Amino acid sequence: EAQVTQNPRYLITVTGKKLTVTCSQNMNHEYMSWYRQDPGLGLRQIYYSMNVEVTDKGDVPEGYKVSRKEKRNFPLILESPSPNQTSLYFCASSDSLFEEKLFFGSGTQLSVL
Amino acid sequence: AQSVTQLGSHVSVSEGALVLLRCNYSSSVPPYLFWYVQYPNQGLQLLLKYTSAATLVKGINGFEAEFKKSETSFHLTKPSAHMSDAAEYFCAVSGPLNAGNMLTFGGGTRLMVKP
Repeated sequence: EAQVTQNPRYLITVTGKKLTVTCSQNMNHEYMSWYRQDPGLGLRQIYYSMNVEVTDKGDVPEGYKVSRKEKRNFPLILESPSPNQTSLYFCASSDSLFEEKLFFGSGTQLSVL
Repeated sequence: AQSVTQLGSHVSVSEGALVLLRCNYSSSVPPYLFWYVQYPNQGLQLLLKYTSAATLVKGINGFEAEFKKSETSFHLTKPSAHMSDAAEYFCAVSGPLNAGNMLTFGGGTRLMVKP
């Protein structure tokens, strides 16, 4: 089954404690992206990747890091989380940059205390 | 940069009534436009997309949207609401000016369906 898998589903942490949210897709997609969803703001792109070892900033990259060492995996790293990074995070992948639909993971609800 | 505005963060309709969710975009070039739906505790799923073919686009679950260039709009409609349509709906735009940015989303509209 084609899917994007994110883990964990829920995460509570404290300020400054490094964390990683994993994302994996099994569709051999070249494009992967991370979004955060906040009420009234829709989804805002954090980082995206067009292929292995190719990543770039989205609209709200501050405080986040990503890596794309393998085509299927695109982890999101928060080196020193802060309360303003409390949000719902989605990983997505696509076969094409513009025309094709995005496949989304089920989301990770992060709370930073 | 391209942008999307969804009018109304919450829309409430009765079961069987017309659903109309509004979306306006800004773009200096013909865009690609999408509607996504998010059910509770799930990721987003594609409802329909416009990619410069027919201006009236039919999607899943009886939804459709019409691209109106003169109004820069891409409103989502469904003739008769069902309880299972209760969800949050996102309009999104993509195109050459969004190179690498994949999609720009609107703020979302939560649809509530009353029995």
